[in-house]
Amino acid sequence: AQSVSQHNHHVILSEAASLELGCNYSYGGTVNLFWYVQYPGQHLQLLLKYFSGDPLVKGIKGFEAEFIKSKFSFNLRKPSVQWSDTAEYFCAVNAASGTYKYIFGTGTRLKVLA
Amino acid sequence: DAGVIQSPRHEVTEMGQEVTLRCKPISGHNSLFWYRQTMMRGLELLIYFNNNVPIDDSGMPEDRFSAKMPNASFSTLKIQPSEPRDSAVYFCASRLGEGSRETQYFGPGTRLLVL
Repeated sequence: AQSVSQHNHHVILSEAASLELGCNYSYGGTVNLFWYVQYPGQHLQLLLKYFSGDPLVKGIKGFEAEFIKSKFSFNLRKPSVQWSDTAEYFCAVNAASGTYKYIFGTGTRLKVLA
Repeated sequence: DAGVIQSPRHEVTEMGQEVTLRCKPISGHNSLFWYRQTMMRGLELLIYFNNNVPIDDSGMPEDRFSAKMPNASFSTLKIQPSEPRDSAVYFCASRLGEGSRETQYFGPGTRLLVL
């Protein structure tokens, strides 16, 4: 069965610090990978997604993620965080063979101190 | 476009009462998803509709939960009777197309508290 692990449940950083949030998935086939962000009191929004091609994916707001197939990982990064990046971040995966079902990680709560 | 619309945004009810959550997907989207978010279990898919037809309800926790999509612009998730362990945020999402690469767009969620 597919599963997604986000090992960092809570992360606290100061502004301008670099960010890396871990995401590992379990699935034997080809997958599509997503990062969603949920700002306080708001709905989930897509940050970036990976389907194929260049394993380094750039998303909105300066975020990027790197797909490392050998490690089953899709870590999210940002070189310099801002206070406004305070949010919960979710990694998600679905099978590339045409299924609809997203499997979400349990999320990482990021707090950026001004 | 107004995005996915959910109502109510907050619901507080007593155990045993019926709860109905509503969702209006983005116009033109033909797939609709209901999710439940809790601290313990994260974001779980409850049920998925395609062209108003329920495709997979394996995530629906038990018979107390039911979902309908009478037309392309409206869906409901009903809990009857409600229990305290149903307290969670319930999200609706919609998507255009059936391919696995299509992005899901989420609504603002309904925060449900069952006392």
